[in-house]
Amino acid sequence: DVKVTQSSRYLVKRTGEKVFLECVQDMDHENMFWYRQDPGLGLRLIYFSYDVKMKEKGDIPEGYSVSREKKERFSLILESASTNQTSMYLCASQQASYEQYFGPGTRLTVT
Amino acid sequence: ILNVEQSPQSLHVQEGDSTNFTCSFPSSNFYALHWYRWETAKSPEALFVMTLNGDEKKKGRISATLNTKEGYSYLYIKGSQPEDSATYLCAFIKTSYDKVIFGPGTSLSVIP
Repeated sequence: DVKVTQSSRYLVKRTGEKVFLECVQDMDHENMFWYRQDPGLGLRLIYFSYDVKMKEKGDIPEGYSVSREKKERFSLILESASTNQTSMYLCASQQASYEQYFGPGTRLTVT
Repeated sequence: ILNVEQSPQSLHVQEGDSTNFTCSFPSSNFYALHWYRWETAKSPEALFVMTLNGDEKKKGRISATLNTKEGYSYLYIKGSQPEDSATYLCAFIKTSYDKVIFGPGTSLSVIP
């Protein structure tokens, strides 16, 4: 079974802190994604990556950056956390255009 | 901007009722369509991956059809059960190099 893990289920950070959200997949998938989910807004794509060291902006990249140094790991970085980044963050991996496999999510609260 | 729409936004049905919802996507180019089930406090899980016009997929009481020429897919649930309560997402892929575009979802509540 494909397994996608995220470093934390719950995280509380202060405004202005640098925040790292880590995602690891164990199935050698090429594609990895970061989404945020907010009530009434569905899944919104922040960044995605089709290969190591490659990254593409999604629909809402402002305030975020990503890093993919190894194929299995895709990190989301909040350079200076703000309260409007309080959200549920979901990571997903995918092989080619097959179905995406999602991690359990990280609920981030920025105070 | 590609738009993927789903209707209805939410649905409440009685246990045992059959139901269906729609996913609409641009018909000009098509590569694949995915359906996901997203239960509360869990992560989305894939139900179907559909790639060919006329595709019909089935998993237990849930089935899906695909019409790429007119740009829609239907998801059917036969004899809804309370455990079917979830948000159902469709996701459209235009070409093999494009990102997945999720629809807003249909929230289904099955009342015992």
